[in-house]
Amino acid sequence: GQNIDQPTEMTATEGAIVQINCTYQTSGFNGLFWYQQHAGEAPTFLSYNVLDGLEEKGRFSSFLSRSKGYSYLLLKELQMKDSASYLCAVRGLNQAGTALIFGKGTTLSVSS
Amino acid sequence: DAGVIQSPRHEVTEMGQEVTLRCKPISGHNSLFWYRQTMMRGLELLIYFNNNVPIDDSGMPEDRFSAKMPNASFSTLKIQPSEPRDSAVYFCASSYSALQSSGANVLTFGAGSRLTVL
Repeated sequence: GQNIDQPTEMTATEGAIVQINCTYQTSGFNGLFWYQQHAGEAPTFLSYNVLDGLEEKGRFSSFLSRSKGYSYLLLKELQMKDSASYLCAVRGLNQAGTALIFGKGTTLSVSS
Repeated sequence: DAGVIQSPRHEVTEMGQEVTLRCKPISGHNSLFWYRQTMMRGLELLIYFNNNVPIDDSGMPEDRFSAKMPNASFSTLKIQPSEPRDSAVYFCASSYSALQSSGANVLTFGAGSRLTVL
C-alpha cells in the first residue's frame, strides 16, 4: 500500500519563507510531484523530483530524499496569492507507471 | 489547447438517481484518470485508462460506480444509484505516457464536476 503524510495547515506572512514537508511510504517509487490547488479550482502542477536533491523553479523549490521517503516544498518571498492547498503526490510502480497517489494536502494561509 | 474539459460543472440530484459525468482529455494524451475529492479523504484515484483500456479500477468504491472510455477523446463516469455519500468534486485528468514510462508525464486536471446528492 501507499501512505503520504503532510501537515494539514500552515500559516505565514507576506515576504516570508515557508517549508511544507511530505513523507511517504510506497510499494514502489517513480517520482514525487507537488501540485497547487486554489479554493474551488483544479490542482495545477508545480514541481517534479525523481532523483535526490533540490529542484528550483523561481520562488518555489522542491527537495527529495528517496532513502528517507521525504520531500519538501519551499516557497520564498511569499505573496498573498500563494494562499492555497499544496498537494504532495507519489507515482508508484505499476503496469502503466503513470497514476499519482495524493496526500490530503496542506492548506497554506498567507497574511499581510 | 482547451485543456481537459469536464461536464457538467455542477450537478444536484436526489438519492437513487443516475449520474453521468463526462470528460474530454487533451488531444494527444493517452492516459486518463478519474479522481474524487472530499474534505475528509482528500484526492482519491478512482480509475485510470491507458490507450482507452482500464488499467486499475481498484479505487472504484463499489459496483454502483462504472467508467468507460469508448475512444481517445471521451470518457464517462457513471454512478447508479447515487447516494448522499457520493457528494464530492470529481476530477478528470489526462497525460501522455508510455507503459513503464519515466519522465514527468505531468497530469493536467479538468475544472471538476461538483456533485451534490440530496
